[in-house]
Amino acid sequence: QKEVEQNSGPLSVPEGAIASLNCTYSDRGSQSFFWYRQYSGKSPELIMSIYSNGDKEDGRFTAQLNKASQYVSLLIRDSQPSDSATYLCAVKRPGNTGNQFYFGTGTSLTVIP
Amino acid sequence: ETGVTQTPRHLVMGMTNKKSLKCEQHLGHNAMYWYKQSAKKPLELMFVYSLEERVENNSVPSRFSPECPNSSHLFLHLHTLQPEDSALYLCASSQEPQGRGGYTFGSGTRLTVV
Repeated sequence: QKEVEQNSGPLSVPEGAIASLNCTYSDRGSQSFFWYRQYSGKSPELIMSIYSNGDKEDGRFTAQLNKASQYVSLLIRDSQPSDSATYLCAVKRPGNTGNQFYFGTGTSLTVIP
Repeated sequence: ETGVTQTPRHLVMGMTNKKSLKCEQHLGHNAMYWYKQSAKKPLELMFVYSLEERVENNSVPSRFSPECPNSSHLFLHLHTLQPEDSALYLCASSQEPQGRGGYTFGSGTRLTVV
């Protein structure tokens, strides 16, 4: 079982719509959850972090965490073509050598003008 | 700039060459990481350094050799690589164990082995 699972996509949404990205994780000891955005040929950029159950909003982005279901999601409202990228879900939990990060394979998002 | 600087941005090397990748962080973090990113695969953790001590080596071939002379600098020495080693190599840093935050990544080195 993978530590972090995401649908690889591609996910296509029209400009102005809501894009919904989903992620599940396997270890209930996971404590911190992150969404990274990666443009083609670039490095990942942290856009959201969430640590407790519920919603966290930052501008057009909302992260949702449900620890009981081991589920994290990212909603992008009023999607723009500049949001077209790969979105990586990452989970941080205690490991043998301290906190360890685990990444999903990423979901490719295309926002169609 | 993210506060994590990687050089070079692009590198083409032959299988018999020796080269080094450099990473420098200006964030005051105490942990640094090397990741490999290949197409269609998740980020692969290669090495972890915490307080300048290597704490993790994820079964990486010996043709990759890391070096961390201080908490701000990290190197990846490369020799006799294979074409399948062509990938984006990412350096990251974080503050551990107290930090709940995520990694900060450098811009990466795109490596091509010919």
